[in-house]
Amino acid sequence: SQTIHQWPATLVQPVGSPLSLECTVEGTSNPNLYWYRQAAGRGLQLLFYSVGIGQISSEVPQNLSASRPQDRQFILSSKKLLLSDSGFYLCAWSLPGGYTFGSGTRLTVV
Amino acid sequence: QKEVEQNSGPLSVPEGAIASLNCTYSDRGSQSFFWYRQYSGKSPELIMFIYSNGDKEDGRFTAQLNKASQYVSLLIRDSQPSDSATYLCAVRGGKLIFGQGTELSVKP
Repeated sequence: SQTIHQWPATLVQPVGSPLSLECTVEGTSNPNLYWYRQAAGRGLQLLFYSVGIGQISSEVPQNLSASRPQDRQFILSSKKLLLSDSGFYLCAWSLPGGYTFGSGTRLTVV
Repeated sequence: QKEVEQNSGPLSVPEGAIASLNCTYSDRGSQSFFWYRQYSGKSPELIMFIYSNGDKEDGRFTAQLNKASQYVSLLIRDSQPSDSATYLCAVRGGKLIFGQGTELSVKP
């Protein structure tokens, strides 16, 4: 079966610290993968998407970056977190019937 | 103008009533349209998608699409308290773009 894993579920990080969020998928090959962020009470904002290994497209200029070192692995990173980076981070992959989301990481920058 | 617009709500309906959720989009080239349900603190889950003009029914849910008016809606019949959630409209031309969501509250 096709599943998507995301971790950690919650994270509290100080301003200026680094970040690494990981997303992996199972049951498929060469998926299109996406990182979204949802600020409190807001809709989903597309941050990055990837159509293959090493291929990253950035949607919003910011201090975040993404990498895809393996076919089924997508990583969201930051060298120095800002308060405004707080939010609910969601990894997703696209299927013919729509996008399926992971369980998300709630990041609080303090 | 936002690419995908929804009324933020909250929309409050009594149990058993019909809930009507609306969404408009700006890109006339959009090809597919989705409704997601998001419970508080959880990730969105897909409940309906529609590609063609007209209605699509799945159980208590009906999605309606009018491409000429750039309008898509979701009807929930016999609303239940468990339907209380935020409903996100999403539109795909190239990438999937989300509206800000409508909060629905179903009162027993």
